[in-house]
Amino acid sequence: QVQLQESGPGLVKPSQTLSLTCTVSGGSITSGTYYWSWIRQPAGKGLEWIGRIYTSGSIDYNPSLKSRVTISEDTSKNQFSLRLGSVTAADTAVYYCASSIAARPAVFDYWGQGTLVTVSS
Amino acid sequence: DIVMTQSPDSLAVSLGERATVNCKSSQSILNSFNNKNYLAWYQQKPGQPPKLLVYWASTRESGVPDRFSGSGSGTDFTLTINSLQAEDVAVYSCQQYYSVPLTFGGGTKVEIK
Repeated sequence: QVQLQESGPGLVKPSQTLSLTCTVSGGSITSGTYYWSWIRQPAGKGLEWIGRIYTSGSIDYNPSLKSRVTISEDTSKNQFSLRLGSVTAADTAVYYCASSIAARPAVFDYWGQGTLVTVSS
Repeated sequence: DIVMTQSPDSLAVSLGERATVNCKSSQSILNSFNNKNYLAWYQQKPGQPPKLLVYWASTRESGVPDRFSGSGSGTDFTLTINSLQAEDVAVYSCQQYYSVPLTFGGGTKVEIK
């Protein structure tokens, strides 16, 4: 069973870059069996898909964030990462990493516990 | 983008009664080639990540109790919880995976009356 764990700073200043890492266990990020996504949820609001990485580094982004987002992978550490630039208070949210099996590449089977990122000076 | 709209925002149901959550997509999410609706339902309890309940609009994920059922096609979908249990108190969200960007509904909070 895949397990995911988010890590990174809980506080980011406005205009700076938010950086998070998701460490994967129980599955290889290079296996082609899974797709790896980032999703966020502002307090009291709905979920927003940020983007995903899969199959030898292919990446899809949400167009609403594409100009500010980079998703990458570190295969040596079995991790994938999120960078979100030029953050504002509107980017304050719980950030989740999640996985989807290739047979259902956009259904989220496993989730990390989430990490709260607050954008504030 | 496909917009997912859920109703109601919240509902209170007595223990043992039925809860019904609705989800409407701004365009059809039925793939006519495989006759599958690209819709999933998730349950989220306070302080926890979402949990997958249903995919392909009506297929229960392994281990999900059979009191949870999904139905609908095209643009209108329903999650039904039969015989509501105390542990079912949660926010329920729908998600379309017909096209990128993947999008979610705003969530429906289910409480005990």
